[in-house]
Amino acid sequence: EPEVTQTPSHQVTQMGQEVILRCVPISNHLYFYWYRQILGQKVEFLVSFYNNEISEKSEIFDDQFSVERPDGSNFTLKIRSTKLEDSAMYFCASSETGAYNEQFFGPGTRLTVL
Amino acid sequence: AQKVTQAQTEISVVEKEDVTLDCVYETRDTTYYLFWYKQPPSGELVFLIRRNSFDEQNEISGRYSWNFQKSTSSFNFTITASQVVDSAVYFCALSEVNTGNQFYFGTGTSLTVIP
Repeated sequence: EPEVTQTPSHQVTQMGQEVILRCVPISNHLYFYWYRQILGQKVEFLVSFYNNEISEKSEIFDDQFSVERPDGSNFTLKIRSTKLEDSAMYFCASSETGAYNEQFFGPGTRLTVL
Repeated sequence: AQKVTQAQTEISVVEKEDVTLDCVYETRDTTYYLFWYKQPPSGELVFLIRRNSFDEQNEISGRYSWNFQKSTSSFNFTITASQVVDSAVYFCALSEVNTGNQFYFGTGTSLTVIP
């Protein structure tokens, strides 16, 4: 069964460093998303991406964040200068036809900022 | 204001008991979708069900059932004859027409099934 994959599973970085989280969505899906979950809290929407551009973003997704689909398979989230409060689990998701359809989530990348 | 409220933070039941997880949502849209996801201890999010705002029929899938009531803006989830493998955090989520690409998640209910 097709699934969303994410790498790495755990990333440890120093405050102020740049990190890139990688995702491979399900191959025939057209809509891609990033969410984050601070430990013990709810899952929060960051950004959605369709047709090679951002379609929606939340207040959390400030200038420190960017997304890219560098090729036909990968979808990346970059945090330019990490802060302690960026420590969280980051989930990538994809859906086949976008709005209202179930989103399939990857296993997540746990980001720890020291 | 919270769009999705899951008032039960933690629930513990003994195996084989039935348990209902509550979800109350808030939206001004007439067209919207509701979802339930399961997050087991391994951390991934597993899709369970999607329900649109025009379909109030209750749904049953094995030991799982969902009760959607627009009059009370609730979309409750019942597990019948709970099993230890049901232990997880369960999230309810809402997707609206006007912000259709994002999900609004509740804070989750942590279910522990005791053998």
